[in-house]
Amino acid sequence: QKEVEQNSGPLSVPEGAIASLNCTYSDRGSQSFFWYRQYSGKSPELIMFIYSNGDKEDGRFTAQLNKASQYVSLLIRDSQPSDSATYLCAVKGGTSYGKLTFGQGTILTVHP
Amino acid sequence: NAGVMQNPRHLVRRRGQEARLRCSPMKGHSHVYWYRQLPEEGLKFMVYLQKENIIDESGMPKERFSAEFPKEGPSILRIQQVVRGDSAAYFCASSQTGVGSNQPQHFGDGTRLSIL
Repeated sequence: QKEVEQNSGPLSVPEGAIASLNCTYSDRGSQSFFWYRQYSGKSPELIMFIYSNGDKEDGRFTAQLNKASQYVSLLIRDSQPSDSATYLCAVKGGTSYGKLTFGQGTILTVHP
Repeated sequence: NAGVMQNPRHLVRRRGQEARLRCSPMKGHSHVYWYRQLPEEGLKFMVYLQKENIIDESGMPKERFSAEFPKEGPSILRIQQVVRGDSAAYFCASSQTGVGSNQPQHFGDGTRLSIL
């Protein structure tokens, strides 16, 4: 079992729709959860982070965390073509000490 | 520019040469992390450093790779006797605090290493 797994892509949604990205993790001691966006050939850019159960909203983005289910998700409302990128879920804490453990990424395409 | 600074952006080396990658953390950040992204693969942790200390090097290959973060100057990731399999994007990230903290890590633009 991979330490951090993301829903297999690619994910394609029409402009204006909600994109839902999912991530599960195996280390129950994990404490902090991050979503990064990476455009092709570029560096990861922090979108959201969450460490308490529940929802956290920032503009069009909502992160959801359920530690009992070891599940974290990212919702993107009113998706735009500029949201097309690879989204990386990263987990910190537990046995991973200070480092981030990344999922393999989900490629999102928003088509006009 | 107050972000994480990496140089060079692109580095070409021949097999057997040495590669040195540099990273200056964001202002006010004292924790530095190096990650590697192989073509078509995810980001993998390599090493975590604070000034003059290696905190976690569990992701570093046992041979040819080393890292340092001296009291003065940038963090350096050094790869000796490079091989074709070292071709990858190497990213540096920094954070204000480290273990036990929820502070996020911010990434530099990376160094794309190509081995001929």
